[in-house]
Amino acid sequence: EIVMTQSPATLSVSPGERATLSCRASQSVSSNLAWYQQKPGQAPRLLIYGASTRATGIPARFSGSGSGTEFTLTISSLQSEDFAVYYCQQYNNWPPGWTFGQGTKVEIK
Amino acid sequence: EVQLVESGGGLVQPGGSLRLSCAASGFTFSSYAMHWVRQAPGKGLEYVSAISSNGGSTYYANSVKGRFTISRDNSKNTLYLQMGSLRAEDMAVYYCARHAGSGYYGYWGQGTLVTVSS
Repeated sequence: EIVMTQSPATLSVSPGERATLSCRASQSVSSNLAWYQQKPGQAPRLLIYGASTRATGIPARFSGSGSGTEFTLTISSLQSEDFAVYYCQQYNNWPPGWTFGQGTKVEIK
Repeated sequence: EVQLVESGGGLVQPGGSLRLSCAASGFTFSSYAMHWVRQAPGKGLEYVSAISSNGGSTYYANSVKGRFTISRDNSKNTLYLQMGSLRAEDMAVYYCARHAGSGYYGYWGQGTLVTVSS
């Protein structure tokens, strides 16, 4: 099973600042990597797939990069609605099944 | 508009059973593989089970294999998860999710909470 490791666990950022979230895979997942945003009491929402393609309706301030084992989600200028937990997910290795990182919480500094 | 609506969660004793449902609308249900993903309280996301578009292939996480059964009724646009021999560690919000062809989840339901406690 591919293990996904996200860092940091918590990121404190001021509104308007840039946030950089990392995701590392225990083995190569090529570009088969997605990012999700989850707010309290809500289902996850797809932000990025294919490591760098924004999903429909996702603002341009969200960008993804990387391939292989190292990936980054960047939020260029944090808005109030962006404070949430972010998860990465690999979809390169089936079976046994897709795996998620443990999440990075982006909180207001 | 794509909609996925889960139901069937609730309180169940350890060792008990429960069946979850996910009603789909707004897309051609029979064209998509569907997954169940769960989230324990305060924890991250965990893939649980998957089923192919025609129901011919099913897959399970090791943690639920032999205890859970996924199925679908394409005539009713509904996905199911039959859960048995429930344990405390199965307590979670269960989401159904539409699987994109390559592997990510484009759409999620709102989730249904399963509580396992005596």
